[in-house]
Amino acid sequence: EAQVTQNPRYLITVTGKKLTVTCSQNMNHEYMSWYRQDPGLGLRQIYYSMNVEVTDKGDVPEGYKVSRKEKRNFPLILESPSPNQTSLYFCASSLGHNNSPLHFGNGTRLTVT
Amino acid sequence: GESVGLHLPTLSVQEGDNSIINCAYSNSASDYFIWYKQESGKGPQFIIDIRSNMDKRQGQRVTVLLNKTVKHLSLQIAATQPGDSAVYFCAERDDKIIFGKGTRLHILP
Repeated sequence: EAQVTQNPRYLITVTGKKLTVTCSQNMNHEYMSWYRQDPGLGLRQIYYSMNVEVTDKGDVPEGYKVSRKEKRNFPLILESPSPNQTSLYFCASSLGHNNSPLHFGNGTRLTVT
Repeated sequence: GESVGLHLPTLSVQEGDNSIINCAYSNSASDYFIWYKQESGKGPQFIIDIRSNMDKRQGQRVTVLLNKTVKHLSLQIAATQPGDSAVYFCAERDDKIIFGKGTRLHILP
């Protein structure tokens, strides 16, 4: 089944403890992206990647890192999480970067205390 | 700046009636538009898309209309069912994808 898989689905952590949220897609998509979704603010892009070894900042990149060593994986790294990074995170992928729909994972709910 | 917005944050529709969800966009250069459905606890799910060289596209029980003159996009859902209850949001995609904030569709029994 074609899908975007994120792990974990839920994560509670403490301020400053490094964490990684994994994302994998099995559709051979070139474009991958991370979003956070907050009440009243909608989906905001954190980072995106047009292809392997190519990553760019989105609208809210501060406090996050990403890597794209392989086409299928696009992990999101929080080196030193803070409470303002408590949010619902979505990974998404698409065939191309402009004229194809994004396919989303089921989300990771992160709480930083 | 660019924005994609929806006219109503909440829409209540009687089961069996048709639903119409609206969206306004501001970037006249956008040439690809998408509607997503997001159910509670899930990621956004692709419903239907339309390119700027079309003004109407139909899927199964859904129709998207694009009016480029007034930069307006709408999603019509025929014979609304309880399973249609969700947040719907539009998106425009050029080099960048911009999402609207969504309309919550409530289905009344």
